[in-house]
Amino acid sequence: DQQVKQNSPSLSVQEGRISILNCDYTNSMFDYFLWYKKYPAEGPTFLISISSIKDKNEDGRFTVFLNKSAKHLSLHIVPSQPGDSAVYFCAATTDSWGKLQFGAGTQVVVTP
Amino acid sequence: DTGVSQDPRHKITKRGQNVTFRCDPISEHNRLYWYRQTLGQGPEFLTYFQNEAQLEKSRLLSDRFSAERPKGSFSTLEIQRTEQGDSAMYLCASSPRDPKGSTDTQYFGPGTRLTVL
Repeated sequence: DQQVKQNSPSLSVQEGRISILNCDYTNSMFDYFLWYKKYPAEGPTFLISISSIKDKNEDGRFTVFLNKSAKHLSLHIVPSQPGDSAVYFCAATTDSWGKLQFGAGTQVVVTP
Repeated sequence: DTGVSQDPRHKITKRGQNVTFRCDPISEHNRLYWYRQTLGQGPEFLTYFQNEAQLEKSRLLSDRFSAERPKGSFSTLEIQRTEQGDSAMYLCASSPRDPKGSTDTQYFGPGTRLTVL
């Protein structure tokens, strides 16, 4: 039962433009959401998170938006840089230090 | 470097053999997690520990799998009688017990890539 879904397996964006990654979830008990970035042959690296009591969290070039009524969150990266090329995973949990449930990931390619 | 470390990074074994992986978490992190990732999928939760206590196990963790964290520091994951379906990346993560703000979360190691022939 896939409770976290990333329906876009890949995204190509030009350097300097905005990247928008989407994530949908089905479990209304999720109360903490995270985005991870993964390069080949490395473990996932934490990017940004958001609690269910908020609808936006910003950290530098990264902003996460949460729409609880739609059970949808998105990650905005602006401006996109070549080093942002990686696989991005959306994850969710029912408590801030419990097990994470991940989406299948979105491969982002930033072109010059 | 004080990040999560895993050993070995790669393991090739024949079907039916036993394998053991080790994870060293970030120092003073109370919680330790194991995940498995197969091609084209996100990591799937296997089990986690708070100190030496194993608090939760996924249905994915069949009786051929056993995980330990004997002294509340490093952890081992053993797979007995490996099968080809066990081929995957095994990821370890750690986190502090009391998050200090929204940025404290699970920090992952580089993973152990298992190939079962």
